[in-house]
Amino acid sequence: EDQVTQSPEALRLQEGESSSLNCSYTVSGLRGLFWYRQDPGKGPEFLFTLYSAGEEKEKERLKATLTKKESFLHITAPKPEDSATYLCAVLGTALIFGKGTTLSVSS
Amino acid sequence: KAGVTQTPRYLIKTRGQQVTLSCSPISGHRSVSWYQQTPGQGLQFLFEYFSETQRNKGNFPGRFSGRQFSNSRSEMNVSTLELGDSALYLCASSPQDIGNTIYFGEGSWLTVV
Repeated sequence: EDQVTQSPEALRLQEGESSSLNCSYTVSGLRGLFWYRQDPGKGPEFLFTLYSAGEEKEKERLKATLTKKESFLHITAPKPEDSATYLCAVLGTALIFGKGTTLSVSS
Repeated sequence: KAGVTQTPRYLIKTRGQQVTLSCSPISGHRSVSWYQQTPGQGLQFLFEYFSETQRNKGNFPGRFSGRQFSNSRSEMNVSTLELGDSALYLCASSPQDIGNTIYFGEGSWLTVV
């Protein structure tokens, strides 16, 4: 059975304190791994798509990486506006989402 | 370019009633998928439509149904509402296949009382 597990569930950082969010997955035939950001009361906002192990993508303070078993979302020098829930999803036979990591960045 | 549009944004229904939610995908996108999001279960896949045909279906009871029109707009219907159906219902669209990146709307908040 395809599964996605995100850790930690919640993360509190000080502004400027870099960290990483983890997305571990088991899937039969990975067709894509997706990262989204979701603010309270809003729909998820697309961040990255990764297709194969070794692939990396960057956008501003965020960098997503992919291995055969997990993906990391690295946040460099976060700011308070980076506070949100970050969702990971994997596509095998169906698209499955993790429960998300809620990030809080304080100034 | 306009994003995915969902209506209504908020609604309150009574147990036993039925509800219809509407979704207009991004222009040119032919695949529309629906998700239910609750605090306990997270985001769960309901179904996906492509060219008016349901291609994939999640593990939800038959009370949940949907359809897609020739202009790619989609509706989902929930009949005989239960308290547990209270959730954020999200619609997403992608250009062709669900393998492409999907883009979400803002969602429809359904409260069943």
